[in-house]
Amino acid sequence: NAGVTQTPKFRVLKTGQSMTLLCAQDMNHEYMYWYRQDPGMGLRLIHYSVGEGTTAKGEVPDGYNVSRLKKQNFLLGLESAAPSQTSVYFCASSYGPTGGFETQYFGPGTRLLVL
Amino acid sequence: GQSLEQPSEVTAVEGAIVQINCTYQTSGFYGLSWYQQHDGGAPTFLSYNALDGLEETGRFSSFLSRSDSYGYLLLQELQMKDSASYFCAAPTDTGRRALTFGSGTRLQVQP
Repeated sequence: NAGVTQTPKFRVLKTGQSMTLLCAQDMNHEYMYWYRQDPGMGLRLIHYSVGEGTTAKGEVPDGYNVSRLKKQNFLLGLESAAPSQTSVYFCASSYGPTGGFETQYFGPGTRLLVL
Repeated sequence: GQSLEQPSEVTAVEGAIVQINCTYQTSGFYGLSWYQQHDGGAPTFLSYNALDGLEETGRFSSFLSRSDSYGYLLLQELQMKDSASYFCAAPTDTGRRALTFGSGTRLQVQP
């Protein structure tokens, strides 16, 4: 099992450009999450999904959109990148209501630099 | 909403015991989780306390007191590889579908 994978690992964008970050999991998890991590600020939830076709806003959703068309994939989009979105982005997944959402499995992260 | 407070940094020597505290303010409470993150790495799950008391997993233990809105992670027989950041986390809302993380405690283990 690959667990949770993220693509790309690193990306440099210019202000105003758009991009999509891909997260994939092969554990048949119901719940998936996108976080951003800035120095000294811990992990902040951007958006999450509790099942295929569902999405919900987290703590810092502005400037981001998500989609979960397939159970195993969760996409994070930046429509018009801003320097404030320079961060490390982590995707995570968990079993959901029957298996415990408290245990989340994280991907390796995507480092994004917006110039 | 949820708010979790942790010390920003803790230093200890190899072989010692260290305690990392977490206090929380929540609108509802359903347990406390702990995660470890090495520099440049991804967070990994360590433990979860749903009820009051101590949970032990090898050298790591986690404690919860819901009446005091307080928990801690206890690391025994510290090793250099334990140098990392440690995060406490609690359910974001009553739906128990997402977690809110504390800002993390950076543990430096010295020889």
